[in-house]
Amino acid sequence: EAQVTQNPRYLITVTGKKLTVTCSQNMNHEYMSWYRQDPGLGLRQIYYSMNVEVTDKGDVPEGYKVSRKEKRNFPLILESPSPNQTSLYFCASSELAGGGETQYFGPGTRLLVL
Amino acid sequence: GENVEQHPSTLSVQEGDSAVIKCTYSDSASNYFPWYKQELGKGPQLIIDIRSNVGEKKDQRIAVTLNKTAKHFSLHITETQPEDSAVYFCAASNSWGKLQFGAGTQVVVTP
Repeated sequence: EAQVTQNPRYLITVTGKKLTVTCSQNMNHEYMSWYRQDPGLGLRQIYYSMNVEVTDKGDVPEGYKVSRKEKRNFPLILESPSPNQTSLYFCASSELAGGGETQYFGPGTRLLVL
Repeated sequence: GENVEQHPSTLSVQEGDSAVIKCTYSDSASNYFPWYKQELGKGPQLIIDIRSNVGEKKDQRIAVTLNKTAKHFSLHITETQPEDSAVYFCAASNSWGKLQFGAGTQVVVTP
């Protein structure tokens, strides 16, 4: 089944404790992206990757890191999480980069930073 | 950059009635306008999209209209059913850029 998977689905952590949220897609998509969803703000892009070893900042990149060593994986790293990073996170992928491509979203990771 | 505004933020409709969600965008270069539906506990999923070379597109009970002059586009759901209850996001982009999403509309269909 074609899908985007994320792990973990739920995570409670404390301020400053490094964490990684994994994202994997099995559709051989070139473009991958991370979003955070907050009430009243919709989906805001954190980072995106147009292909392996190519990543760039989205609208809200502060406090986050990403890497794209393999085409299928695009982990999101929070080196020192803070309470304002409490949010619902989505990974997405599309066949190609570009605004006209359908994006396929993972099921989401709900993060609480205490 | 692109800015997308979406209204209303919540919408309650009786089953069988129609629902309309409206979005405006700021960048005249935008030419792709998708709508995503997010069910509880799931990621958003594309339900319909429209490109700037057409004014309306329909798929069964859902339709999208685009007014390029006014820079607004709308989602219409007819004969609403309980399974239409979800959060709906509009988005806009140009050919080379990234999608910019609206803030979302929580639709509740009451029996």
